Amino acid sequence: ETGVTQTPRHLVMGMTNKKSLKCEQHLGHNAMYWYKQSAKKPLELMFVYNFKEQTENNSVPSRFSPECPNSSHLFLHLHTLQPEDSALYLCASSKESGYGYTFGSGTRLTVV
Amino acid sequence: KNEVEQSPQNLTAQEGEFITINCSYSVGISALHWLQQHPGGGIVSLFMLSSGKKKHGRLIATINIQEKHSSLHITASHPRDSAVYICAVMSGTASKLTFGTGTRLQVTL
Repeated sequence: ETGVTQTPRHLVMGMTNKKSLKCEQHLGHNAMYWYKQSAKKPLELMFVYNFKEQTENNSVPSRFSPECPNSSHLFLHLHTLQPEDSALYLCASSKESGYGYTFGSGTRLTVV
Repeated sequence: KNEVEQSPQNLTAQEGEFITINCSYSVGISALHWLQQHPGGGIVSLFMLSSGKKKHGRLIATINIQEKHSSLHITASHPRDSAVYICAVMSGTASKLTFGTGTRLQVTL
């Protein structure tokens, strides 16, 4: 355990389903991130939250909807996804300066 | 062209060999991370450095800010070192990371 917990570890969903990914940290970090890792591509930043406020949306399609109710929890709500959205979704947290960067184990998502 | 380039992409070594993985970047940075990703997918941060050199056990990371280059060295490599090693840079005022494509290391007996 790294201190950043992601659930579920694996998820298979149909294109018409709605599901949510959850990320939780109790490291006292104030910044939280969603990253996407597709096969043979570098990790791509999706969203950044600092002190619960979204500070970056990296041109992510609206079928991905993040939510950050407090500094310890981060969600990624998914609806009407496409097969090309199948990937490993990683959550990370850090102090606002970037120190203490810690990743979760990821959710491997398959869209069928 | 990626802002962060790593070489080699794949590396096979025998147990005990000295390993070097290189990272070059094209943007100004505030810090550089070396990360390790095992087959299960989870990522572990190995080093964060902004100058000079850091050492942790058999791992050594160096950075040359003027040349925009960093290296990760593994001494006395072991099969358990087999993983993907990823270089990531932090730039700008935000603490977001830009990643290289990773180096897949396989250490055999």
